[in-house]
Amino acid sequence: GIQVEQSPPDLILQEGANSTLRCNFSDSVNNLQWFHQNPWGQLINLFYIPSGTKQNGRLSATTVATERYSLLYISSSQTTDSGVYFCAVNFGNEKLTFGTGTRLTIIP
Amino acid sequence: GAVVSQHPSRVICKSGTSVKIECRSLDFQATTMFWYRQFPKQSLMLMATSNEGSKATYEQGVEKDKFLINHASLTLSTLTVTSAHPEDSSFYICSSRPSSGNTIYFGEGSWLTVV
Repeated sequence: GIQVEQSPPDLILQEGANSTLRCNFSDSVNNLQWFHQNPWGQLINLFYIPSGTKQNGRLSATTVATERYSLLYISSSQTTDSGVYFCAVNFGNEKLTFGTGTRLTIIP
Repeated sequence: GAVVSQHPSRVICKSGTSVKIECRSLDFQATTMFWYRQFPKQSLMLMATSNEGSKATYEQGVEKDKFLINHASLTLSTLTVTSAHPEDSSFYICSSRPSSGNTIYFGEGSWLTVV
C-alpha cells in the first residue's frame, strides 16, 4: 500500500518561530489533507490540498503532486499550535491513509 | 460547528464487557462512514468502512466479530467493541464526507479504557 512519511517526527520551537512540516507519499493521490490533532484527540481540518498552494491566516500549505510531497508552513507560532500534525491521502474514495505525524511543541 | 459527532467521548469498561460508540453525521446523509483506531503516540489506522444498509468492510487484521459495525440509517453508524480486553484500550474516531465537497470530517473521537 501507499506509504506516507512525515518529517520531522518531533519539533520543539520557541513562541514566534516559523516552521515547515513535510509530508512525502509514495504514489499518486487524489486527495491530500492536513490535520491538527489537539491534546484532547480531536482532529481539525487545516487544508484540503491535492495540489497547489493555499493560505489560511498564519498557516499555508503547498502540494507538489508530481513530486509526491506536501509542505505545511506555520508562521509566528503560538502555544495553541502545539499538538500533532498529520497529513492524510486517498485515491478518490474516503479511505484515508495517515502519515506518521509531526509532534509540535511551542514553548512560551 | 461539528459536522460529525461522536459519543461517548470517554468510556471506561470492565474486561469482558461490550461497549458501543456512536458516530452521527449532523447535517448531511452519510452512506459511508469510516472507523479509525489510534494507539498512544501512533498514527491513525483505518479499521473498517461502514456502509449504510449493508455489511461493513474490514481492513486486514481487524476482527469483524470483535468490532461490530452497524450502519442502520443515513446519519448513524455504531461501533461495538465486544468482550473488551485491556489491549483494546485506544482512541477510536469516525469520519465521513458530505456528497458535496471534498473535505473529510472527523468526529471528536472516543477514548476507551478497558480495566
